[in-house]
Amino acid sequence: GAGVSQSPSNKVTEKGKDVELRCDPISGHTALYWYRQSLGQGLEFLIYFQGNSAPDKSGLPSDRFSAERTGGSVSTLTIQRTQQEDSAVYLCASSVSGAEDYNSPLHFGNGTRLTVT
Amino acid sequence: ELKVEQNPLFLSMQEGKNYTIYCNYSTTSDRLYWYRQDPGKSLESLFVLLSNGAVKQEGRLMASLDTKARLSTLHITAAVHDLSATYFCAVDRYYGNNRLAFGKGNQVVVIP
Repeated sequence: GAGVSQSPSNKVTEKGKDVELRCDPISGHTALYWYRQSLGQGLEFLIYFQGNSAPDKSGLPSDRFSAERTGGSVSTLTIQRTQQEDSAVYLCASSVSGAEDYNSPLHFGNGTRLTVT
Repeated sequence: ELKVEQNPLFLSMQEGKNYTIYCNYSTTSDRLYWYRQDPGKSLESLFVLLSNGAVKQEGRLMASLDTKARLSTLHITAAVHDLSATYFCAVDRYYGNNRLAFGKGNQVVVIP
């Protein structure tokens, strides 16, 4: 079956430009997560959605970062006025449920590699 | 702040030998996950450990969890080249909701 789909797979942008990253989760998964992976580092939690609501935005690094989710499905992560330190792989993941299904791991997409020049 | 530490960060293994990699975390949690990442690829779920003393095995990999020691181990039996990858452990930051804190990963290279 279809997994988590992310687009674009690669994005090169100039410093100061805005970018939008898209995530299409596995059908029926109510929980959606954005993580960031920098070179040689682990994954950094950014934001979590349960349905269309984002009960935890605590990981967003600055107010230049925002995310939304519509229809309980597709999510968009937007970075405004990109900086070089934003360069990383942005990973999206979904799970059946964020709360009740304790045995459900996250299913990750292939990520968007963002390079800010 | 929940911290997850993995060691060693890099490990060169000889084929056929056994190895153990470690994951320590700083605060109470009873859910721990192991993921595998191949170069340029995304993360693949290996194990979900849900309670103290949990042990799971899949092929040459065996993971265990000691919540009292805040330690999980991933044991590799008779390493083979196909197991070369980076292994991440992750701990639930809060009870439920799967908001995970990840370690920096154990990069494993298996040499023939």
